[in-house]
Amino acid sequence: SAVISQKPSRDICQRGTSLTIQCQVDSQVTMMFWYRQQPGQSLTLIATANQGSEATYESGFVIDKFPISRPNLTFSTLTVSNMSPEDSSIYLCSVVKGSGNTIYFGEGSWLTVV
Amino acid sequence: AQSVAQPEDQVNVAEGNPLTVKCTYSVSGNPYLFWYVQYPNRGLQFLLKYITGDNLVKGSYGFEAEFNKSQTSFHLKKPSALVSDSALYFCAVRPYTGFQKLVFGTGTRLLVSP
Repeated sequence: SAVISQKPSRDICQRGTSLTIQCQVDSQVTMMFWYRQQPGQSLTLIATANQGSEATYESGFVIDKFPISRPNLTFSTLTVSNMSPEDSSIYLCSVVKGSGNTIYFGEGSWLTVV
Repeated sequence: AQSVAQPEDQVNVAEGNPLTVKCTYSVSGNPYLFWYVQYPNRGLQFLLKYITGDNLVKGSYGFEAEFNKSQTSFHLKKPSALVSDSALYFCAVRPYTGFQKLVFGTGTRLLVSP
């Protein structure tokens, strides 16, 4: 399995501000992903965090709104920029690890924008 | 395009009875199939996966799932439900080869009554 730590675990943010979420993995992994889970909804992939290059964003998500860093093989950050109440969600970091390429998730960062 | 359907928003079962949470999928080629569980105020926990081989897959906490290629289904089962199994369950799929992106179903809430 993988131990994935996310910070902050929860936060209440003011409209118009930005927040950076950190994801730390207990071992080196090639692939890291960021997902969003809006209230009462399923998970949607935001982007793939690529080490040494720009993140790859899914349709509907843009770098200006969700800049991502991946400085090494154990760490990534996701910034939610210029937040609005619609950004209130759980943001989850995930990694691929192990035989069969199992995908593991962190505990999530629960953001409320007021 | 890949898709996952979880036809039941909620499943109710009495403790000690068998439970089934349904999942059907659509994907090009052979699928990787996953089940995750989300307890209240927690992230996603990996339960089990199907990659290849035996159609009956055993996972964590006594859960198992049966892969049925002809019916494109991957139903989650447990012979005897516990109250502590009450949670939100997500089925997910990704192609056997290529990108590691997971596509999730909408989730099924399992309520186990004492």
